Amino acid sequence: SQTIHQWPATLVQPVGSPLSLECTVEGTSNPNLYWYRQAAGRGLQLLFYSVGIGQISSEVPQNLSASRPQDRQFILSSKKLLLSDSGFYLCAWKGGYNEQFFGPGTRLTVL
Amino acid sequence: KQEVTQIPAALSVPEGENLVLNCSFTDSAIYNLQWFRQDPGKGLTSLLLIQSSQREQTSGRLNASLDKSSGRSTLYIAASQPGDSATYLCAVSYSGYALNFGKGTSLLVTP
Repeated sequence: SQTIHQWPATLVQPVGSPLSLECTVEGTSNPNLYWYRQAAGRGLQLLFYSVGIGQISSEVPQNLSASRPQDRQFILSSKKLLLSDSGFYLCAWKGGYNEQFFGPGTRLTVL
Repeated sequence: KQEVTQIPAALSVPEGENLVLNCSFTDSAIYNLQWFRQDPGKGLTSLLLIQSSQREQTSGRLNASLDKSSGRSTLYIAASQPGDSATYLCAVSYSGYALNFGKGTSLLVTP
């Protein structure tokens, strides 16, 4: 069966510091992968998606970037965090019938 | 703009009641619709996926319906239990890759 992992689970970072969040998927190959952000009082927002290694599409211009160095690894990064980057970051993969499955999430607090 | 709205934002019911959660979307040309459950501080759990050609899907005590012409979906929960307490999210896909989320309905089932 397929499993999706995210780490770290929680992170507290100062403004201006770098960021690296990791997502890995097990039990499937060449998955479509997604990064979403859930901010307080707002719905989930799609940030990036990837259909394969090195292929990244950005949905929202922002302070963040994404990379896919391996087939089942998706990384979300920032060079300098802003207060507005705080939120709950969720990674997802797309299975059969275009159903999306989500990981456990990373809670990011920028102080 | 393709918006997804969920009403009510919050709902409290006594254990054993049947209940209906509502989701509406502005653009009826959907690819599919997915209902999720989110427990506090956790990721999303996929409950039901309805393709655009389907009218409803059932899983245990859950039944989701889709009426594209009116831009509505409902999630019916039969014989509610305290363990059903969570936030329920509706998400619409127009392209087969990205999901547009509503802000969710927070459900509390009291013993």
